[in-house]
Amino acid sequence: AQSVTQLGSHVSVSEGALVLLRCNYSSSVPPYLFWYVQYPNQGLQLLLKYTSAATLVKGINGFEAEFKKSETSFHLTKPSAHMSDAAEYFCAVTKTGGGNKLTFGTGTQLKVEL
Amino acid sequence: GAGVSQSPSNKVTEKGKDVELRCDPISGHTALYWYRQSLGQGLEFLIYFQGNSAPDKSGLPSDRFSAERTGGSVSTLTIQRTQQEDSAVYLCASSLASPETQYFGPGTRLLVL
Repeated sequence: AQSVTQLGSHVSVSEGALVLLRCNYSSSVPPYLFWYVQYPNQGLQLLLKYTSAATLVKGINGFEAEFKKSETSFHLTKPSAHMSDAAEYFCAVTKTGGGNKLTFGTGTQLKVEL
Repeated sequence: GAGVSQSPSNKVTEKGKDVELRCDPISGHTALYWYRQSLGQGLEFLIYFQGNSAPDKSGLPSDRFSAERTGGSVSTLTIQRTQQEDSAVYLCASSLASPETQYFGPGTRLLVL
């Protein structure tokens, strides 16, 4: 079975500061990993995904994540936070080899302060 | 192009009533998923349709929940004899195939009184 753990249900950063949202995964087979963002009263939007190609994945809105097998991590980063980044972020995992249901983490609410 | 659409956007019902939630996937997407988002349980997988294969129903929480997908396109999630704990946002997603990106609709917010 696959699972993801997101450390920190709430993260607060200043505008212009580094954003770091943590995600650790557990999977018995090589995983596919995703970061989604959810703005209030909206559905989920894909930020980026890892599917066993390059370990450093670049996504939309300046976000990127690095797959580290040795640490079983897939942390999300952005060099400089913007007010519009305030939202809830979900890490998700699915397994290779068929079936594509996503298992989500509990989410991290990002607050960006002036 | 059009994204995933869901209707209704909000639904208020009384305990014990049946409800139907609709999902229109992106045209040409063969895979369709239902998830539930609630305060207590987070985001949970419910059911997955892939082409003409038998659906993966492993996430349905009880036999009061069922879903169908007609003609490989539109899907309906039905909850019979609703309970207060069914109150949640029900999200639908579609993708071209595994392990392609899943595109989510805006959700249906269900409140059971």
